[in-house]
Amino acid sequence: DVKVTQSSRYLVKRTGEKVFLECVQDMDHENMFWYRQDPGLGLRLIYFSYDVKMKEKGDIPEGYSVSREKKERFSLILESASTNQTSMYLCASSLRNSRGYTFGSGTRLTVV
Amino acid sequence: LAKTTQPISMDSYEGQEVNITCSHNNIATNDYITWYQQFPSQGPRFIIQGYKTKVTNEVASLFIPADRKSSTLSLPRVSLSDTAVYYCLVGDTYNQGGKLIFGQGTELSVKP
Repeated sequence: DVKVTQSSRYLVKRTGEKVFLECVQDMDHENMFWYRQDPGLGLRLIYFSYDVKMKEKGDIPEGYSVSREKKERFSLILESASTNQTSMYLCASSLRNSRGYTFGSGTRLTVV
Repeated sequence: LAKTTQPISMDSYEGQEVNITCSHNNIATNDYITWYQQFPSQGPRFIIQGYKTKVTNEVASLFIPADRKSSTLSLPRVSLSDTAVYYCLVGDTYNQGGKLIFGQGTELSVKP
């Protein structure tokens, strides 16, 4: 069964910490995405990548960066965590010419 | 990317057919229409995708009129386990670098 795996289901971090959220897919997908989901706001795209070492800003990239050193792994980095980054973070992947995504189960991050 | 409008919530009873309509007035020629389902604390799951007329799979049917300015997701004989949020998305991910934008979704509540 194909999978997108996010390293943590729940994470609690302190304000100002550097936070790494990891996502790994085993489907040899070219495209990978990071979304955050908040009540009343739906899913919002933070960053995406369509190839190794390539990245594109989504709708809300401020306060985040990403890394894609290997095809299967896409990392989201919070340089200095803040309480307004408390959210559910969802990773997804897709083939380059596909119109369907596969999502991970999400990481619920709490910044205190 | 075409914007979508769908009802915020819907209620139904077990065994009924549920139809969720999505409006996308400015859909482009190359855009496809895709529906996702999301359960609490999980990532969205691909349900069905179409370009025009009717598409059916083991889970749902998707009806798209000739002008493609709207679409209807039809869930036959829903059960309690169909309680979820349903997202309608419109876009041509191949030409847009794989990017999909999620709207607010429709929260479906199925009652016994």
